[in-house]
Amino acid sequence: RKEVEQDPGPFNVPEGATVAFNCTYSNSASQSFFWYRQDCRKEPKLLMSVYSSGNEDGRFTAQLNRASQYISLLIRDSKLSDSATYLCVVRSGNQGGKLIFGQGTELSVKP
Amino acid sequence: GAVVSQHPSWVICKSGTSVKIECRSLDFQATTMFWYRQFPKQSLMLMATSNEGSKATYEQGVEKDKFLINHASLTLSTLTVTSAHPEDSSFYICSARYIGGDYGYTFGSGTRLTVV
Repeated sequence: RKEVEQDPGPFNVPEGATVAFNCTYSNSASQSFFWYRQDCRKEPKLLMSVYSSGNEDGRFTAQLNRASQYISLLIRDSKLSDSATYLCVVRSGNQGGKLIFGQGTELSVKP
Repeated sequence: GAVVSQHPSWVICKSGTSVKIECRSLDFQATTMFWYRQFPKQSLMLMATSNEGSKATYEQGVEKDKFLINHASLTLSTLTVTSAHPEDSSFYICSARYIGGDYGYTFGSGTRLTVV
């Protein structure tokens, strides 16, 4: 079983749609959680961190459920520029601080 | 701040040759550097973790003698792919952890390696 698992993609949505990504992680010792965005042939860039209380950054809302070991990302009013691969990332406190990446979910926003 | 410069951006080499990839931290001291590999349509897979002045820790299944990592200074870490084969063709990315908060990770821009 992979340490971090995400929804299979790709997601093809029209502009303005709301889209949700889900992610589960297997290591209960995981301490920090993130969503990264990766454009084609580029390095991943931090989109937002995920807190237990849930957090919002503009059109993006992230949720964490530690009991279920589940992370989500909601994108509202999607834009063409949101097209990218979204990576669920977990950091475990007992593994030297390394980041474990999910396989990513590809999002394509169409006009 | 916290920029990692990775070179080269892309490289094509012949089978059997070695390729060195460099990652330099430009404005901070990178005590820890992570090296990842990403195949098409797959996620970043951690290859190894290097700490300045000590031997790298390799993930299971990664050949130490094939992927040589050197982290001799606080601003430079290198990955050398030795005796490269076509199956080593991939996107290699470094990431440094820096002091400045719980989420202090910065990534290099990646190196696309093609072995022919």
